[in-house]
Amino acid sequence: AQSVTQLDSQVPVFEEAPVELRCNYSSSVSVYLFWYVQYPNQGLQLLLKYLSGSTLVESINGFEAEFNKSQTSFHLRKPSVHISDTAEYFCAVSENPGYSTLTFGKGTMLLVSP
Amino acid sequence: DADVTQTPRNRITKTGKRIMLECSQTKGHDRMYWYRQDPGLGLRLIYYSFDVKDINKGEISDGYSVSRQAQAKFSLSLESAIPNQTALYFCATSDFGPPMYNEQFFGPGTRLTVL
Repeated sequence: AQSVTQLDSQVPVFEEAPVELRCNYSSSVSVYLFWYVQYPNQGLQLLLKYLSGSTLVESINGFEAEFNKSQTSFHLRKPSVHISDTAEYFCAVSENPGYSTLTFGKGTMLLVSP
Repeated sequence: DADVTQTPRNRITKTGKRIMLECSQTKGHDRMYWYRQDPGLGLRLIYYSFDVKDINKGEISDGYSVSRQAQAKFSLSLESAIPNQTALYFCATSDFGPPMYNEQFFGPGTRLTVL
C-alpha cells in the first residue's frame, strides 16, 4: 500500500531565504508524485507533478521538486521565497498502473515572514 | 465558471441531524472523491467513485454515505451528524491515463460545523 510522510508540520523562513519541504513515500510499484498547495481559506491547487522522464520538475512560480527513486523522496524546493508563498503544501502519491487513489501526506505549513 | 463546485460552502448543524453535501463538475471526469481535512491530519479519503456504477469506501467511511447521481454529480451524506465530523470537506475529480494520470482537481470546500 502506498503512503506518504511529510516530516515537517511547519517550516518558518524569512523572505528571500531558500526553503526545502521534505516528502518521502512508500510504494511497491512505480508511482506518480504530486505537490499541491493550499492558500489560506482556499481549496487545493496542483503545484507540480512527476509522471515520468526527467526527475526534476518545475512549477511556474519558481518551485521545483526532484524525484529520487533510490531514496523514495520527492522534496520541494525554492531558492528564494516570497511572503505570498505562505501556504500549506501537500505531497501526494498515486501508484502506476492504477486502479488507485491519491494518498496525501499530512501537510507542511510554510510560514514566510519579512 | 468553476470546474468543480460544492454546495453549501458553509453549514452549521446540530448533533443528530442528517446533512447532505453536494458536488458537481464540468470537467467530464469519470472519477470523483470526497475528502475531509482536519488540522494536522491532512486530507483523508472518505469515499470515491470511478464511474457512476462504482462506489468505494475510503479510509474513514464510517458515519458517511454517498450517492453518484450522474457522471457530474457526487453527494456526501452524514446520516446522523456528530461533533467530531466538524471539518472542512473537499470534493475532487480526476481522469486516469494520459495526460492527467490521476491528477486531482479540487472544489473550494465546505466548512461543516456540528454543534
